[in-house]
Amino acid sequence: DTAVSQTPKYLVTQMGNDKSIKCEQNLGHDTMYWYKQDSKKFLKIMFSYNNKELIINETVPNRFSPKSPDKAHLNLHINSLELGDSAVYFCASSQEGTGSVQYFGPGTRLTVT
Amino acid sequence: SQKIEQNSEALNIQEGKTATLTCNYTNYSPAYLQWYRQDPGRGPVFLLLIRENEKEKRKERLKVTFDTTLKQSLFHITASQPADSATYLCALGYGGTSYGKLTFGQGTILTVHP
Repeated sequence: DTAVSQTPKYLVTQMGNDKSIKCEQNLGHDTMYWYKQDSKKFLKIMFSYNNKELIINETVPNRFSPKSPDKAHLNLHINSLELGDSAVYFCASSQEGTGSVQYFGPGTRLTVT
Repeated sequence: SQKIEQNSEALNIQEGKTATLTCNYTNYSPAYLQWYRQDPGRGPVFLLLIRENEKEKRKERLKVTFDTTLKQSLFHITASQPADSATYLCALGYGGTSYGKLTFGQGTILTVHP
């Protein structure tokens, strides 16, 4: 069984479009995250939710809006896509607590043309 | 802001040797440090965690050390195998209200040659 799953795996779209990436975890974790990995492989946190509440919101354009319908899901909606949004987006989850291991999904490669 | 540097972007070693990867950070010390492995086209996978009050942790062929004076962590893979070839990421975490926020280094690409 896949612990953290994301859909779609690949997403190719044009500038100006709106798109969503879905994430689900079946580990029973309370905390979920979204990361962006750019072409230089830097993995940078974007958002974190704990029990459906937004906890971490890094300096991310407000075109990015996370939505957590329940503890097991954290979706990422992106409005007015730009070329610079092209990257791989990873969802992750962890238990609460300092030092908790994060379990990552397989990633969604977003290409904006 | 916190800056994390992992040693050379790429490290090439021969099978059977020990690979040593370095993670240096500036400014304030983290409450803990984690190491992850990432294979091409896949998400990072957790390997080891070491906390600020620990000097060394081991798991099978893996060993991590944490020196808060030097602001450095070393990650060792002994008896390396071609299957160990991957990108290795160090990540710093802080306690309190950071809620598990991890700050990642840029990664070191390890290639183990047969």
